Formats: sequence, C-alpha cells, structure tokens
Amino acid sequence: AQSVTQPDIHITVSEGASLELRCNYSYGATPYLFWYVQSPGQGLQLLLKYFSGDTLVQGIKGFEAEFKRSQSSFNLRKPSVHWSDAAEYFCAVALGNTGKLIFGQGTTLQVKP
Amino acid sequence: DAGVTQSPTHLIKTRGQQVTLRCSPKSGHDTVSWYQQALGQGPQFIFQYYEEEERQRGNFPDRFSGHQFPNYSSELNVNALLLGDSALYLCASSPTSTPGLPRYEQYFGPGTRLTVT
Repeated sequence: AQSVTQPDIHITVSEGASLELRCNYSYGATPYLFWYVQSPGQGLQLLLKYFSGDTLVQGIKGFEAEFKRSQSSFNLRKPSVHWSDAAEYFCAVALGNTGKLIFGQGTTLQVKP
Repeated sequence: DAGVTQSPTHLIKTRGQQVTLRCSPKSGHDTVSWYQQALGQGPQFIFQYYEEEERQRGNFPDRFSGHQFPNYSSELNVNALLLGDSALYLCASSPTSTPGLPRYEQYFGPGTRLTVT
C-alpha cells in the first residue's frame, strides 16, 4: 500500500541553523511529491513539489527538497532557519492520476532563539 | 483574488446529529477535494469532486457524503456523528488542467474545526 513516513515527529533547531526534515515514501510508480507547511490554526500551504526532471527542487520561503529514487526519499532542507519557520510540516505523495494526496504524520518544527 | 474559503470556522455538534460544511474554491479552480485531519495526524483524503460528480473516494463510510454545485463550490455532509468525527476538515481546490492530466496541485483552505460531544 502507498504510504508516506516522516520519521521525526518533533525537531528543535536554533535560529540561523540549517534544517533537514526527512520523508520516505512507498509507491510503485513514479511519485509526485509535495511538502506542505501548516501554522497553528491554519490550512496547509504548498512549499514545493516534484513532478519530474531535476531532482533538486526549489520552493517558497527559501526551502528546497531533493528527490532520491534509490532511497525513496524526498527530504526538505533550509540553509538558515528563521523563527517564523516554526510550524508543522507535511510530506505528501499523489497517487497516479487520481489527484488523491497521501500525507505523512507530520514533523513539528520548533525554533530556539 | 480570494483563496479557498470554508465555513463555518468552528462547529460543535452532538453525537447522532448531522453537519454540513461548505467550501468555495479558488478562482479558476474546478476540482474540490476534502480531507479530515485528526489532532496530531496528517490529513486523510475523504473524496474529490469534479464536474459535480464524486470522482475519487478514500476509506470513509457512507455517512460522509458531498456535493458540488455548478459554480464549483462544494459541501461535505456527515450524518450520525460520532465522537471520532471530531477533527479539522480541510477543503482543497485544484486548477483547471489539461484534459486527461491529474489535478495534483491542491490549494487548501483554513479548515473547519468540528467538535462532536
């Protein structure tokens, strides 16, 4: 069955430090991958997406993610974290032609001053 | 340009009651998907509407039903509410795409927080 795993439930980083959030997926076909961010009481905002082509994708707010087929991973990175980045981050995979998104359980990012 | 809007923001219902949640998609979008997000979990796909028909459905019972109107807005109805239905209900819309291509890029609304007591 298709699934998305985010191994880290909670991560704390200092402001200005680099960040990497992990995401592993299980899907037989070519995956369409997404990262979303959710601030408290808010809906989900799309950070970036991977459909095909260059495996390093750039998103909004200085985020990037790298698709590694051999590792079934799509990790999110940011070189320097800002306090405003504190939020819940979700990785998701779209199933085939359905447009149905399967989400991971999310990673809560806390930023220390 | 308004994004995806949902109403109401919060709702409290009693077990056994019925509830209707509403969603207006982003301008230019014709597909609406609904997700349930329980506390501390990722969103789970309920169903998707396009051209006023349910096109895809997740693993949710028939108590969950929906509708899409000619203006692309949508409703989610839940009958015989259970305590376990308490969650944030998210609506997402997708842009009109090339026929035959999937509607992957989904834009989410702020959600409706449903509490069942």
